[in-house]
Amino acid sequence: GQSLEQPSEVTAVEGAIVQINCTYQTSGFYGLSWYQQHDGGAPTFLSYNALDGLEETGRFSSFLSRSDSYGYLLLQELQMKDSASYFCPGKDSSYKLIFGSGTRLLVRP
Amino acid sequence: GAGVSQSPRYKVTKRGQDVALRCDPISGHVSLYWYRQALGQGPEFLTYFNYEAQQDKSGLPNDRFSAERPEGSISTLTIQRTEQRDSAMYRCASSLGQGNNSPLHFGNGTRLTVT
Repeated sequence: GQSLEQPSEVTAVEGAIVQINCTYQTSGFYGLSWYQQHDGGAPTFLSYNALDGLEETGRFSSFLSRSDSYGYLLLQELQMKDSASYFCPGKDSSYKLIFGSGTRLLVRP
Repeated sequence: GAGVSQSPRYKVTKRGQDVALRCDPISGHVSLYWYRQALGQGPEFLTYFNYEAQQDKSGLPNDRFSAERPEGSISTLTIQRTEQRDSAMYRCASSLGQGNNSPLHFGNGTRLTVT
């Protein structure tokens, strides 16, 4: 089986930095992804970590520690448009992505 | 190029009717997934295909739900004898392969309402 834990909601100020944590328990590990979903929109892919360390893509970075079964998404220079839900799905042994409930990020001016 | 296309965008049906939801994946994408998403929740896995083969249908709630992808491209999710609890957003996604670093591309979904 697989379980994912993220905070349900995070609030931050425009221009700030915010970290969204994700802990997982899985019978096998096949990488950790991050997806963003705006209200009324479809989930969109942000990043993927297969190995330990930091992956950077513009203002977004994603980190993974396999020994700790832990990862996080770091958003820098927050913008109002970053207000969305963020998911850290993991793949199970049959290669399907399992999503949790996600973290709702609210960026305030 | 075109993204994942789903139709209809909205579907309202009466309890007991059958519905068919269509998904047209990105051209060349091998894997196709069906998810269901309730408001405020993450996508819930239903089933997925590689080419025309259904690899995993463990997420289908019961035998009223079925899916097919006969030619390895367009897929149809069918719900028979719909019930009110089936009301949700149904999302299709495709990926180039099932490799670990092959991201899913989601369609805009079909909003199903069963009255």
